[in-house]
Amino acid sequence: AQSVTQPDIHITVSEGASLELRCNYSYGATPYLFWYVQSPGQGLQLLLKYFSGDTLVQGIKGFEAEFKRSQSSFNLRKPSVHWSDAAEYFCAVGGNTGGFKTIFGAGTRLFVKA
Amino acid sequence: ETGVTQSPTHLIKTRGQQVTLRCSSQSGHNTVSWYQQALGQGPQFIFQYYREEENGRGNFPPRFSGLQFPNYSSELNVNALELDDSALYLCASSLGASGSWNEQFFGPGTRLTVL
Repeated sequence: AQSVTQPDIHITVSEGASLELRCNYSYGATPYLFWYVQSPGQGLQLLLKYFSGDTLVQGIKGFEAEFKRSQSSFNLRKPSVHWSDAAEYFCAVGGNTGGFKTIFGAGTRLFVKA
Repeated sequence: ETGVTQSPTHLIKTRGQQVTLRCSSQSGHNTVSWYQQALGQGPQFIFQYYREEENGRGNFPPRFSGLQFPNYSSELNVNALELDDSALYLCASSLGASGSWNEQFFGPGTRLTVL
């Protein structure tokens, strides 16, 4: 069965510190992998995606993620967190199984302290 | 370019009632997907419409139904509301062919409360 696990419900990081949000997935074929961000009252925004090729992908707002097939992981990183990065982050996996479906993890809430 | 809009913003219904949620796609987009996001959870895929036809469905009962109109706007209808239907309902539009991935643009959602 297809699934996404985000082990951390919430994470607190000091402004300027580095960030890593964890994501593990289960998918029968080569997955399409995504990270989305959701700020209060806002819709989901795509940060980055991985389909194939280079396993380190760059996204918007200075985020990057690394696909590790052997670990079934797609962790999100940022070298220096800004207060405006405080939000909910969702990892997702997608594939074409009777229409393209995207399956989301439960999310990780990021708190940034001054 | 107008983004994805949803109406209403908030809605309160009682158990057993029916509700219709609306979504206007981003200009030029022909595909609409609906998601249910319960509190503290990630969005769950309900179904997708491509050029007015259902193009994939998640694990939701038949009382969740939808429509896509010729202008590619969409409705989500939920009959016989249950308390567990309380959630944020997200609509996402994209431009693409059936079965392919194209970037989805999400609306701000409709918050449905069932009492």
